[in-house]
Amino acid sequence: AQSVTQLGSHVSVSEGALVLLRCNYSSSVPPYLFWYVQYPNQGLQLLLKYTSAATLVKGINGFEAEFKKSETSFHLTKPSAHMSDAAEYFCAVEVGDSNSGYALNFGKGTSLLVTP
Amino acid sequence: EAGVAQSPRYKIIEKRQSVAFWCNPISGHATLYWYQQILGQGPKLLIQFQNNGVVDDSQLPKDRFSAERLKGVDSTLKIQPAKLEDSAVYLCASSSGTARLSNTEAFFGQGTRLTVV
Repeated sequence: AQSVTQLGSHVSVSEGALVLLRCNYSSSVPPYLFWYVQYPNQGLQLLLKYTSAATLVKGINGFEAEFKKSETSFHLTKPSAHMSDAAEYFCAVEVGDSNSGYALNFGKGTSLLVTP
Repeated sequence: EAGVAQSPRYKIIEKRQSVAFWCNPISGHATLYWYQQILGQGPKLLIQFQNNGVVDDSQLPKDRFSAERLKGVDSTLKIQPAKLEDSAVYLCASSSGTARLSNTEAFFGQGTRLTVV
């Protein structure tokens, strides 16, 4: 089954610094990939998704991710971290088919801490 | 538009008791998901409905978990009897139609945090 692996369960950056959250996928075919954010006591919110239209995907709140087939990666970046970016971030891959329907298979998540 | 509604937000029960969670998806959304999120882990799919039919329940522990979606709208997830390892956040999500998630979006509720003591 298609899966994703998030490297680093915790990442700490200073406010204003570059944010880099890593995600690698395992798939025999080009996958559809997603990044979600979860703020404390909230549900998951879609940040961005890769659907093969473009390898560089821009999302909400200044985040972007680049699909690199050669590295089987879909890392999430933001040029300048803000205190409000502190949250849990999940990479996910679409699984399923037209018969069984489609769902998301999530990675274990990366907790982003932003320090003043 | 209103989001995915879940209740209760929090629940504490003793092991071997039963518990039920309720989900009201976004109006018109045909697909409904229940995910289990154990502390420190990513959400894991428990069951997926299309309208009122189950399309995937391969990861649902059927000896103790059950779910239904009457009339293709609201859904309930039940655990009976609960075990300590069932302590988790139970997330409900919905998406429109049956299209690929690359063409639509799965919207998540705030979840129900279950603590089994």
